[in-house]
Amino acid sequence: DAGVTQSPTHLIKTRGQQVTLRCSPISGHKSVSWYQQVLGQGPQFIFQYYEKEERGRGNFPDRFSARQFPNYSSELNVNALLLGDSALYLCASSLSLRGGNTIYFGEGSWLTVV
Amino acid sequence: QQQVKQSPQSLIVQKGGIPIINCAYENTAFDYFPWYQQFPGKGPALLIAIRPDVSEKKEGRFTISFNKSAKQFSLHIMDSQPGDSATYFCAAQNAGGTSYGKLTFGQGTILTVHP
Repeated sequence: DAGVTQSPTHLIKTRGQQVTLRCSPISGHKSVSWYQQVLGQGPQFIFQYYEKEERGRGNFPDRFSARQFPNYSSELNVNALLLGDSALYLCASSLSLRGGNTIYFGEGSWLTVV
Repeated sequence: QQQVKQSPQSLIVQKGGIPIINCAYENTAFDYFPWYQQFPGKGPALLIAIRPDVSEKKEGRFTISFNKSAKQFSLHIMDSQPGDSATYFCAAQNAGGTSYGKLTFGQGTILTVHP
């Protein structure tokens, strides 16, 4: 069975540009979350979506936005990129909103901002 | 209030040793505590998880010990192997909160197991 899939795996952008990252959850999973992992640190929660609605937002600026589609896939958008946005962006999926459900992570999209 | 503090930052053991990684939290609303293992270039993978109504949980060579009163929990890896060399993250979730999918992670521990 396919796990959480993310694309692209690596990308390089210039300051001020915009980026879109994509995620397909595990089949049957309706909840998708996004995390940012800066080198040497633990992942930081950005968003959670369930049934196409935003259900949680972390402490990130409005430059970060996301959406979930009817097939439960998701996109994370980051506008006006800053050097500090360089990180591994992880998508995670879980079966439902219920706490304690296993949260599965994809392998991430490496974003470098130059 | 939302932090999870993890120590040590790095750990080196010999094959067969028992590395211990510790985590502490402040938010008493946390009620689900998973541990993730992450290899270079990969996403975190769930290793083992515990709820606060249990003081210990064991799965294979991995054991979580949980001290609710001290708000601390730890991961023990029995008979460690070179293949266990990875970064380990503790995490906490408020399963009854409004951000059900939000995991709060510790800073990570880089484990190296020498042959």
